[in-house]
Amino acid sequence: QQQVKQSPQSLIVQKGGISIINCAYENTAFDYFPWYQQFPGKGPALLIAIRPDVSEKKEGRFTISFNKSAKQFSLHIMDSQPGDSATYFCAASRINTGTASKLTFGTGTRLQVTL
Amino acid sequence: DAGVTQSPTHLIKTRGQHVTLRCSPISGHKSVSWYQQVLGQGPQFIFQYYEKEERGRGNFPDRFSARQFPNYSSELNVNALLLGDSALYLCASSLAGQVQYFGPGTRLTVT
Repeated sequence: QQQVKQSPQSLIVQKGGISIINCAYENTAFDYFPWYQQFPGKGPALLIAIRPDVSEKKEGRFTISFNKSAKQFSLHIMDSQPGDSATYFCAASRINTGTASKLTFGTGTRLQVTL
Repeated sequence: DAGVTQSPTHLIKTRGQHVTLRCSPISGHKSVSWYQQVLGQGPQFIFQYYEKEERGRGNFPDRFSARQFPNYSSELNVNALLLGDSALYLCASSLAGQVQYFGPGTRLTVT
């Protein structure tokens, strides 16, 4: 059962443009939503994360928008750069105090930023 | 500070063999989780350990097992390897709560 759906599967954006990746979740118990960036041959690296008590979080060129009623969240990459070319994964989990939480990942979006 | 380390980097095994993968968490982190990432897909949760106790298990067969040692390092064991076990195996560590930091992974190829 896929609990986190991610789209698009791939994305090509020109340098300086805005990259937008969308995710939808089913489990209303999820209360932590991170985005990870993964380069080939590397492990995923945490980019930015949001809790459902806020609708938007911005860190540098990266912004998460969160719509609790629609059970959707998205990643916006402003001023996209060739170095942003990577695979991006959304994820969701339930926060358990004192322990790490199981992350449920989307299927990934391969982003290519062209010159 | 050292991040999450995993060994070996790459591994080639034959069907039916057994494999052990190792993970050292970030210093001070007490929780380790294991994920399997098949090529072209998102990571899938296998196990979670906290303070040496299993706290969660994903939908994987009993051929998969793990343990956490007193120094919080961890091993993932897979018995009777199948071709479908070929994947990148990721270890993530956490101090507490939700933020998980991933290691570089071990690429397992089963022939």
